[in-house]
Amino acid sequence: AQSVTQLGSHVSVSEGALVLLRCNYSSSVPPYLFWYVQYPNQGLQLLLKYTTGATLVKGINGFEAEFKKSETSFHLTKPSAHMSDAAEYFCAVSRPGGSQGNLIFGKGTKLSVKP
Amino acid sequence: NAGVTQTPKFQVLKTGQSMTLQCAQDMNHEYMSWYRQDPGMGLRLIHYSVGAGITDQGEVPNGYNVSRSTTEDFPLRLLSAAPSQTSVYFCASSWGTAGANNSPLHFGNGTRLTVT
Repeated sequence: AQSVTQLGSHVSVSEGALVLLRCNYSSSVPPYLFWYVQYPNQGLQLLLKYTTGATLVKGINGFEAEFKKSETSFHLTKPSAHMSDAAEYFCAVSRPGGSQGNLIFGKGTKLSVKP
Repeated sequence: NAGVTQTPKFQVLKTGQSMTLQCAQDMNHEYMSWYRQDPGMGLRLIHYSVGAGITDQGEVPNGYNVSRSTTEDFPLRLLSAAPSQTSVYFCASSWGTAGANNSPLHFGNGTRLTVT
């Protein structure tokens, strides 16, 4: 069965520092992987996705993630944090296509950015 | 471009009351779904629909009903509210099968429900 584990429910970085949010998945088949961001009192927005092809995926707002099959990981990074990056981030994996492809979400990581 | 619209934004119910959370999308998406978000639990799928007239259960369907009479609307009904249903509810839609290539989920802004 598919599952997603996000390491660390809260991450705090200083403005300008590297952002690293960790996501590990388990899947019996090659997965589709996603990162979503949720700003306060809003719904989730797609940040980036990996389906096939290049393993380094670039998303919006300077974020990127690398699919590492050998490590079953899809960590999210940004070289330099900005105050506006403070939000909650969710990693998600798609179920196998035969089951209507619903997404399984991790429990989320709340990112705080200190001035 | 409204996207996914949820109403109401906030609701307080007493135990045993019923209500319907509304969800509408104007993107002609086939796939629609309802999630609940609870602290430390992430998002859990309640019900989903792959097209008008077709619905199915997700991970946590008990206590909730849905219907899909049109492509645009996907209401979520609580028949007899319980305190355990206190949560934030999100409706989402996508072109095709959620998670498939080129089918990212589009989310509404949520309904915050409190059951006392």
